[in-house]
Amino acid sequence: NAGVMQNPRHLVRRRGQEARLRCSPMKGHSHVYWYRQLPEEGLKFMVYLQKENIIDESGMPKERFSAEFPKEGPSILRIQQVVRGDSAAYFCASSPTSGNTIYFGEGSWLTVV
Amino acid sequence: GQQVMQIPQYQHVQEGEDFTTYCNSSTTLSNIQWYKQRPGGHPVFLIQLVKSGEVKKQKRLTFQFGEAKKNSSLHITATQTTDVGTYFCAGEVTGANSKLTFGKGITLSVRP
Repeated sequence: NAGVMQNPRHLVRRRGQEARLRCSPMKGHSHVYWYRQLPEEGLKFMVYLQKENIIDESGMPKERFSAEFPKEGPSILRIQQVVRGDSAAYFCASSPTSGNTIYFGEGSWLTVV
Repeated sequence: GQQVMQIPQYQHVQEGEDFTTYCNSSTTLSNIQWYKQRPGGHPVFLIQLVKSGEVKKQKRLTFQFGEAKKNSSLHITATQTTDVGTYFCAGEVTGANSKLTFGKGITLSVRP
């Protein structure tokens, strides 16, 4: 049973480009969460999605960031016009229902040069 | 908003020593979870505590949930170099759309 799959694992983007990070939840999980981790900092909640719905996006920056979890396919975190401050590890996690333990993917490391 | 605090952020111990760290929430939690992240790795679920005063053990690790469900502790007996990593606690507030709020974590280093 595959775990939470994230790709790419490492992504380098120039300032102003777009970054797309993908997350396939564990089989049977319909809840997806995105967290951002800056160097030597904790995990900061960004967004919580269920299939085709954004449940809570209180941690998402108001501009340039968006997330989706379509009926078919992986969840995508999209960052437009990246800036150096976007450089971080982005972790996706999933759970089968709300109130359950969440399981993390291995993360996507974004570097903006 | 809800805050989950872990202080200090770093702790260094000699191998074989015991280690205890605490996690405090500004609000009452429905449950608390602990995760471990090795350097360069991803957070891995360790345990979930739900009941007031609950204590759970995993080999040398002992986890406790406070009576008021606002704090938790992690105790490691006789630390080993394999215990190195960052330990995060994460609290869930009832009705908060199941969003886990993570503390900043405590990074444990163990001197052999």
